Amino acid sequence: RKEVEQDPGPFNVPEGATVAFNCTYSNSASQSFFWYRQDCRKEPKLLMSVYSSGNEDGRFTAQLNRASQYISLLIRDSKLSDSATYLCVVSRMDSSYKLIFGSGTRLLVRP
Amino acid sequence: EAGVAQSPRYKIIEKRQSVAFWCNPISGHATLYWYQQILGQGPKLLIQFQNNGVVDDSQLPKDRFSAERLKGVDSTLKIQPAKLEDSAVYLCASSLEQGVSLNTEAFFGQGTRLTVV
Repeated sequence: RKEVEQDPGPFNVPEGATVAFNCTYSNSASQSFFWYRQDCRKEPKLLMSVYSSGNEDGRFTAQLNRASQYISLLIRDSKLSDSATYLCVVSRMDSSYKLIFGSGTRLLVRP
Repeated sequence: EAGVAQSPRYKIIEKRQSVAFWCNPISGHATLYWYQQILGQGPKLLIQFQNNGVVDDSQLPKDRFSAERLKGVDSTLKIQPAKLEDSAVYLCASSLEQGVSLNTEAFFGQGTRLTVV
């Protein structure tokens, strides 16, 4: 079983739609949580950190449920430019702090 | 601010050949990471440096992969000999502090796309 699991998608939605991605992690020692965005043939870039109380950044809302070891990302009013792969990432302390990536969820926003 | 620089961008080699990748992190960033990203998968950490010391190389196939970060700045990753399954994008990333917290972001280079034929 992978340490960070995501539905690979693709999610194919029309412009203006609301879409939600889910992610589960298996290691309860995980300490920090993030969503990264990766465009086709590009490097991953931090989209947002995920706080315990949930947080919002414009059209993006992230939620964390430590008890269920579950992270979510909600995108409202989808834009064509939101088309990308969204990577769920957790950080935990092992011999050092490690960033563990999920395989990503692909989003396609159509006109 | 200059980002993480990697070279080459693309490399095609035959199996059993050797190859080396170079990374120059963002100036002042103490932590440097090498990730391997196979098509359709998320990045997998190969090795993590804090300054010029290795803090995690548990997933580095040490029989064929090696990495160094002399002087705690730029780094090289080498594969010798390469196998077909090494075909992937090799991403270098850096962060200001050791490890990653809510206040520390890892910045990635554009990667080196390796094809082994």
